[in-house]
Amino acid sequence: EAQVVESGGGLVQPGRSLRLACAASGFRFDDYAIHWVRQAPGKGLEWISSISWNNDNPGYADSVRGRFTISRDNAENSVYLQMNSLRPEDTALYYCAKGDEALWFGNDAFDMWGQGTMVVVSS
Amino acid sequence: EIVLTQSPATLSLSPGERATLSCRASQSVSRQLAWYQQKPGQAPRLLIYAASNRATGVPVRFSGSGSGTDFTLTISSLEPEDFAVYYCHRRDNRAFTFGPGTKVDV
Repeated sequence: EAQVVESGGGLVQPGRSLRLACAASGFRFDDYAIHWVRQAPGKGLEWISSISWNNDNPGYADSVRGRFTISRDNAENSVYLQMNSLRPEDTALYYCAKGDEALWFGNDAFDMWGQGTMVVVSS
Repeated sequence: EIVLTQSPATLSLSPGERATLSCRASQSVSRQLAWYQQKPGQAPRLLIYAASNRATGVPVRFSGSGSGTDFTLTISSLEPEDFAVYYCHRRDNRAFTFGPGTKVDV
């Protein structure tokens, strides 16, 4: 069964760092872009970052650019989101989602989602 | 930057009724628009891509239409499991945008 599974969430103090992971299985991982989307409690969906199959030219939302870094290891079928300088407004459920083609900026739909990993930024 | 507006914010209907959800883009997006369903406590699920194509396993009661700036998701006859929040979504240059969502409730 094809799936993506997130991990790495938790409670962290403002200004600290956290690294999320997205582990994929059941599909040809290096044929697809991977995306991170977050959802603050009781709010809607917010795209935050995307990466193409080849790690080139990742994309970031303005709200996280310069603080978050996305990367992938195709040998491990995994994508990572390094989150630095965390703020209380980064508190959210973070979803990993599979794109519908290899280059993220050509994707038009996110066709597989994980169950998410919760990040709480609080002192 | 393309802004997606969804209406209504909440749609109160009963099982068996027809649901019509709207998504409007601030500028033309051709047919590059997707719809997702999110039930409480669950991850979003892709329903429709490229405005009118049902994703794998999506029941035929879900249909999408539209192009340019105005799009519609129609649920022909609501089943109990269809009560959820629905989001539209599209790529905007080198970013992605989601609409604010429409909640379909009883």
